Amino acid sequence: GESVGLHLPTLSVQEGDNSIINCAYSNSASDYFIWYKQESGKGPQFIIDIRSNMDKRQGQRVTVLLNKTVKHLSLQIAATQPGDSAVYFCAGGSYGQNFVFGPGTRLSVLP
Amino acid sequence: GAVVSQHPSRVICKSGTSVKIECRSLDFQATTMFWYRQFPKQSLMLMATSNEGSKATYEQGVEKDKFLINHASLTLSTLTVTSAHPEDSSFYICSAPLGGVAYGYTFGSGTRLTVV
Repeated sequence: GESVGLHLPTLSVQEGDNSIINCAYSNSASDYFIWYKQESGKGPQFIIDIRSNMDKRQGQRVTVLLNKTVKHLSLQIAATQPGDSAVYFCAGGSYGQNFVFGPGTRLSVLP
Repeated sequence: GAVVSQHPSRVICKSGTSVKIECRSLDFQATTMFWYRQFPKQSLMLMATSNEGSKATYEQGVEKDKFLINHASLTLSTLTVTSAHPEDSSFYICSAPLGGVAYGYTFGSGTRLTVV
């Protein structure tokens, strides 16, 4: 079955630096991927998505890269800010259907 | 942007009672709603998928009679935890695809259920 996992459970970065959070998936049939952040005690917040016909998509300060060859995607956050501190989840599947969520990576932004 | 409003945000109930959680799509039509539960420091786990006007699809191991899901309209889906037990205490979250050309998903803010 599908599995989505993260390489690093925790990531600490200096404020202002760029952050890169990685994720691997197992189901090559997955055609849609999403990244979420979740702050403590709050619901998930959608960040960005990417379809399998793309290998890169940019948002505001965030970029998602998809490498279908090695079944890997990453989330890059530019100029990381204290407000970016949260747990980040990747998820893969098909749009409109359930996703498999990775276990999450905690991003800590150091002053 | 598209928002799913989830209520209540927190609820404490006694064992044996029932609790209803509501998720309303405020500015879009949610034909599908996913219901998740999340234990501390863990990822989201799908409980069921509700589709407007039809019966919900439950994941393996989720009791249909305990977790009643209703999706009677395009803007409202509800999850009722019946005969609640302390082990039902968790964080419950709804999510809906935005649909159309928008893609993307939106999440409710979650409901912290504590059964005492």
